[in-house]
Amino acid sequence: QVQLQQWGAGLLKPSETLSLTCAVYGGSLSVYYWTWIRQSPGKGLEFIGEINHSGSTNYNPSLKSRVTMSMDTSKNQFSLNLSSVTAADTAVYFCTRKYRGYFFDYWGQGALVTVS
Amino acid sequence: EIVLTQSPATLSLSPGERATLSCRASQSVNNYLAWYQQKPGQAPRLLMYDVSNRATGIPARFSGSGSGTDFTLTISSLEPEDFAVYYCQHLTNWYTFGQGSRLEIK
Repeated sequence: QVQLQQWGAGLLKPSETLSLTCAVYGGSLSVYYWTWIRQSPGKGLEFIGEINHSGSTNYNPSLKSRVTMSMDTSKNQFSLNLSSVTAADTAVYFCTRKYRGYFFDYWGQGALVTVS
Repeated sequence: EIVLTQSPATLSLSPGERATLSCRASQSVNNYLAWYQQKPGQAPRLLMYDVSNRATGIPARFSGSGSGTDFTLTISSLEPEDFAVYYCQHLTNWYTFGQGSRLEIK
């Protein structure tokens, strides 16, 4: 059974960089794309970006200029950095596995990030 | 740009009743349509994919139907644990989600 466990700083000041990491248990990063999705009351569920084992990334154009994703296959972890955060980036952030090209079958527990 | 519109926003029903939730797409989504359930404080849980395929471990009381632009998630007989928010989701526009339908206990 695949499990995703995520962590990272929960309170940031404007202009700081959001950093989150997701560890994958019970599965290898070498298959599938691994993604970050966030959820806020104002914008609902929003796809941030994805990365695969070869380091190929795809970012939502609305966030692309501020997003960097990376992967450490030796630790079976992947990470999200979002720079220059503002209050609009306040949300619950989820890491997920993308399956069959478009849906998300495994999710991390979520991490509330507040920018204030 | 494909927009997913879910209705109703809130549905009030009692355990044992049948629930029908709608997801309408602004253009055809070619059956790349998934449904999720989310309870307070939890991550969304995949229920259905490719319109009508149940994800692993999802009870048979959940079913999905539809084609083209109109899709339905049906819960045949509500259990207490089914009261939650439900989202539909598609491939395009960076994996767009609907705004959600809340299923609450009447």
